[in-house]
Amino acid sequence: GQSLEQPSEVTAVEGAIVQINCTYQTSGFYGLSWYQQHDGGAPTFLSYNGLDGLEETGRFSSFLSRSDSYGYLLLQELQMKDSASYFCAVRVSGFQKLVFGTGTRLLVSP
Amino acid sequence: DAGVIQSPRHEVTEMGQEVTLRCKPISGHDYLFWYRQTMMRGLELLIYFNNNVPIDDSGMPEDRFSAKMPNASFSTLKIQPSEPRDSAVYFCASTAGQTGTYGYTFGSGTRLTVV
Repeated sequence: GQSLEQPSEVTAVEGAIVQINCTYQTSGFYGLSWYQQHDGGAPTFLSYNGLDGLEETGRFSSFLSRSDSYGYLLLQELQMKDSASYFCAVRVSGFQKLVFGTGTRLLVSP
Repeated sequence: DAGVIQSPRHEVTEMGQEVTLRCKPISGHDYLFWYRQTMMRGLELLIYFNNNVPIDDSGMPEDRFSAKMPNASFSTLKIQPSEPRDSAVYFCASTAGQTGTYGYTFGSGTRLTVV
């Protein structure tokens, strides 16, 4: 089976930097994805790491260490609109199947 | 592109009734997924299709649930008979397998309430 662990909640202030960690235990790991979901909305794709290292997309970066079964999402220059839930998801086979973590609720305050 | 389109947005039904949820994936996407989201269990994969063929239905909770994809532009998820514990938000998502980014596009979801 698969298990993913994320903190349930993280708080930060506007303009700050926050890191959301994800550790996983899976068989047949192929990659780690991150999704954002606002309350009442649908998950939206942020990033994918298939190899070790850092991927940067604007204010968001994602990191993967396959040897440590660990990844993180880094959000810089936080804005109020970044308040949302963030999910890590592992690709567990050569197919497209993703298994999602339980999500981290990020609260950004003024 | 209009994105992934799901209908209805909200559904309230009585226990024992049949419920059909509908999904239109993004044109050209060859993978379609059905997920269920609840506070207790998070986002659970129910079933997914590749080129209209079901690949993995191990997440379908029981025989009351069935899914079909008769063509590349339409899929249904049916619950018969429905039970209160089926209350959840059901998401459909699609992706193009050849992009390599493994990024799903989710529909807006159907919020199902079974009373």
